[in-house]
Amino acid sequence: SQQGEEDPQALSIQEGENATMNCSYKTSINNLQWYRQNSGRGLVHLILIRSNEREKHSGRLRVTLDTSKKSSSLLITASRAADTASYFCATVNLYGNNRLAFGKGNQVVVIP
Amino acid sequence: GAGVSQSPRYKVAKRGQDVALRCDPISGHVSLFWYQQALGQGPEFLTYFQNEAQLDKSGLPSDRFFAERPEGSVSTLKIQRTQQEDSAVYLCASSTLQGAGKKAFFGQGTRLTVV
Repeated sequence: SQQGEEDPQALSIQEGENATMNCSYKTSINNLQWYRQNSGRGLVHLILIRSNEREKHSGRLRVTLDTSKKSSSLLITASRAADTASYFCATVNLYGNNRLAFGKGNQVVVIP
Repeated sequence: GAGVSQSPRYKVAKRGQDVALRCDPISGHVSLFWYQQALGQGPEFLTYFQNEAQLDKSGLPSDRFFAERPEGSVSTLKIQRTQQEDSAVYLCASSTLQGAGKKAFFGQGTRLTVV
């Protein structure tokens, strides 16, 4: 079953605007990761945030993690048409299981 | 290799046919995962290998699904007597070591259509 749940599921924005996606999960985690998937392609790892971290930056990406609320957000600043893709959060649980539990994904369309 | 390679990219199978999907992980990656992604959904875990050992197969949906990694590198996911509900993209991922803090590298997937 899917653990993560992203909200909203579809987002359409103008180039240059910021895009924010949220994710919630249910169990105790070791870390949470965000992936991007372009249509018909595999997933590309974007960023990993560990359970003892609250915020992380990578280029135009900013991820926050609130373990008390079991939620995370991904912010893409100054979006570009090339950012058009589906974005998934995935968690690795705390108790020795290395598999990723994915949410349903956010479809983001950046209009040039 | 440069990345995770999966073959074939597309497979059309008649219902009842057996299929075999191949994954070449990144050289030296100990961990290998298979996921199933239905249209419009996130990937769902199928099975996990550490080297040649299949440590977790709890996500395999039925006994028609079988995976192996006999020499700890290339892996094959086999589906016997395919059904229409098996239609999906099958993704393979690999990562270094067995630590939970490692990011996964995904292949482009095999799109299976059962007709």
